[in-house]
Amino acid sequence: DTAVSQTPKYLVTQMGNDKSIKCEQNLGHDTMYWYKQDSKKFLKIMFSYNNKELIINETVPNRFSPKSPDKAHLNLHINSLELGDSAVYFCASSQVALYGQYFGPGTRLTVT
Amino acid sequence: RKEVEQDPGPFNVPEGATVAFNCTYSNSASQSFFWYRQDCRKEPKLLMSVYSSGNEDGRFTAQLNRASQYISLLIRDSKLSDSATYLCVVPARGGATNKLIFGTGTLLAVQP
Repeated sequence: DTAVSQTPKYLVTQMGNDKSIKCEQNLGHDTMYWYKQDSKKFLKIMFSYNNKELIINETVPNRFSPKSPDKAHLNLHINSLELGDSAVYFCASSQVALYGQYFGPGTRLTVT
Repeated sequence: RKEVEQDPGPFNVPEGATVAFNCTYSNSASQSFFWYRQDCRKEPKLLMSVYSSGNEDGRFTAQLNRASQYISLLIRDSKLSDSATYLCVVPARGGATNKLIFGTGTLLAVQP
């Protein structure tokens, strides 16, 4: 039983394309997150949703748009991909905000 | 002071050794702290939560020093499988934030 799952695991695409990453959690948690981990391994929060409501929106380009159809799902759509978007994107969830977070396996995005 | 700061290491220790990492934080109002471990090319995994003075789980002990604003992680009887990057996580500064800040991590390499 995977607690937090993400698809796809690997994504290789060309500059200018639009792509989506999906995330699902079966832990019954109220809060979900998207993080970006760059080549220097720094893990930085991008967005957070609590019960389908956006509660954290960091200074992320508006090419990135999260969508939460229900509290178990948080998807990330990226328009007009750029080379600098290459990173590992992690989805996470927690019972409520500021509680310990459980991470998905990550999506390794490579933009060529 | 940075919101969270860790010694990047690497800490190279022999099997069976005791090793300790420190992490300093700037948000004096923080009530919850976390240690995560991240293996190479894997997702961060929650190791311990710290809500009061400390927490112990088997060979792992986390201690909180509010006066000096640091938390530590002590690993006793190190195993080869403990080799990983250990991430310190603290709440962000600011009253209304629901954001956790991840440190850049301390790399531990346990040698046979």
